[in-house]
Amino acid sequence: QQPVQSPQAVILREGEDAVINCSSSKALYSVHWYRQKHGEAPVFLMILLKGGEQKGHEKISASFNEKKQQSSLYLTASQLSYSGTYFCGTGGDAGGTSYGKLTFGQGTILTVHP
Amino acid sequence: EAQVTQNPRYLITVTGKKLTVTCSQNMNHEYMSWYRQDPGLGLRQIYYSMNVEVTDKGDVPEGYKVSRKEKRNFPLILESPSPNQTSLYFCASSEHLGAETQYFGPGTRLLVL
Repeated sequence: QQPVQSPQAVILREGEDAVINCSSSKALYSVHWYRQKHGEAPVFLMILLKGGEQKGHEKISASFNEKKQQSSLYLTASQLSYSGTYFCGTGGDAGGTSYGKLTFGQGTILTVHP
Repeated sequence: EAQVTQNPRYLITVTGKKLTVTCSQNMNHEYMSWYRQDPGLGLRQIYYSMNVEVTDKGDVPEGYKVSRKEKRNFPLILESPSPNQTSLYFCASSEHLGAETQYFGPGTRLLVL
């Protein structure tokens, strides 16, 4: 089951903040976040492995709410370089047969204007 | 330099002509995976490999084969390509699935006529 990302698209001015959500109808065991710029390969941002985990670098951070089966990506004081499509990917149960399986959301297009 | 390489980068072929897309990583990673990307559908996992000789299906394995005979290589085989396999393909690797960094190859754009 593909996780659902919201919003589908967001437009910001430089310096504004954004939140991208990733929700699953199934239990979440791990959440991966990626950014992809047009014509390029996805770039790994971060992985969250535990419920309640929060992680971040620079002005991009993420949280993982295991009970709500949701993860959120926070972009603060956005820069032009943040523009791109953001994908979340959800992994299988470490103790299960599909541990290596990654299922991605449909993506959120983020555009930052000067 | 740590990298994942894919070959070819672009390929035009005809229906039914077997082809192989190679993927190689130089980081001694255990986990490797193949994805296809289509407009509006995002990234979809085709196959993954947890280690040498260990492969398993992702969400869209039909029409594809893989093998993992060596740690560094994870080729994607299309035995009889069809037009619905026209897509952008990415290979990726990481030390293990829960690793803090994952690397994607540059992508292979395939057109099946």
